[in-house]
Amino acid sequence: KAGVTQTPRYLIKTRGQQVTLSCSPISGHRSVSWYQQTPGQGLQFLFEYFSETQRNKGNFPGRFSGRQFSNSRSEMNVSTLELGDSALYLCASSLDRGEKLFFGSGTQLSVL
Amino acid sequence: QKEVEQNSGPLSVPEGAIASLNCTYSDRGSQSFFWYRQYSGKSPELIMSIYSNGDKEDGRFTAQLNKASQYVSLLIRDSQPSDSATYLCAVDRDDKIIFGKGTRLHILP
Repeated sequence: KAGVTQTPRYLIKTRGQQVTLSCSPISGHRSVSWYQQTPGQGLQFLFEYFSETQRNKGNFPGRFSGRQFSNSRSEMNVSTLELGDSALYLCASSLDRGEKLFFGSGTQLSVL
Repeated sequence: QKEVEQNSGPLSVPEGAIASLNCTYSDRGSQSFFWYRQYSGKSPELIMSIYSNGDKEDGRFTAQLNKASQYVSLLIRDSQPSDSATYLCAVDRDDKIIFGKGTRLHILP
């Protein structure tokens, strides 16, 4: 069974630009969660999608948004990038919320 | 109070010894508890999940849960150099999984 696939693996952007990250969950998993990981703050929850609906949202500004498609694939968008958005963005899929998470390899975003 | 607290370490343990990793959480309503291992430059991978009080063993790993004390621990027996990694404690809260900042474990050959 294929794991969680995230693309791209690395991204370099400049302040003010926007970025879209993609995540394909494990087949059969309908819940997709996004996390931001930085050395200082650790893993922080961004949001969770299930059946194309955002069910849960963390404490991030509105510049961070996402969506989920009918095939459970998910995208995350960050607009008006700031230097502080530099981080590893991890996508995780699970059968349902509150259940075991399986992580993708992540997208390392650098904002210059 | 932080939602999930872990000692950041590093925790240094001799090869072959028992490594003990601890975690406390703030939400008494939490029902699901997980331990993840993260190697440098890699994404977290699930080691253990535990849902009821007591011990749960899987190979060299034992997870312990005490809901009354809001405490979760992970024991690694016969520690190997390949166990050197950051261990993340995770807890469900309000239908999302919240992570601690992790404990860095270093196994000394």
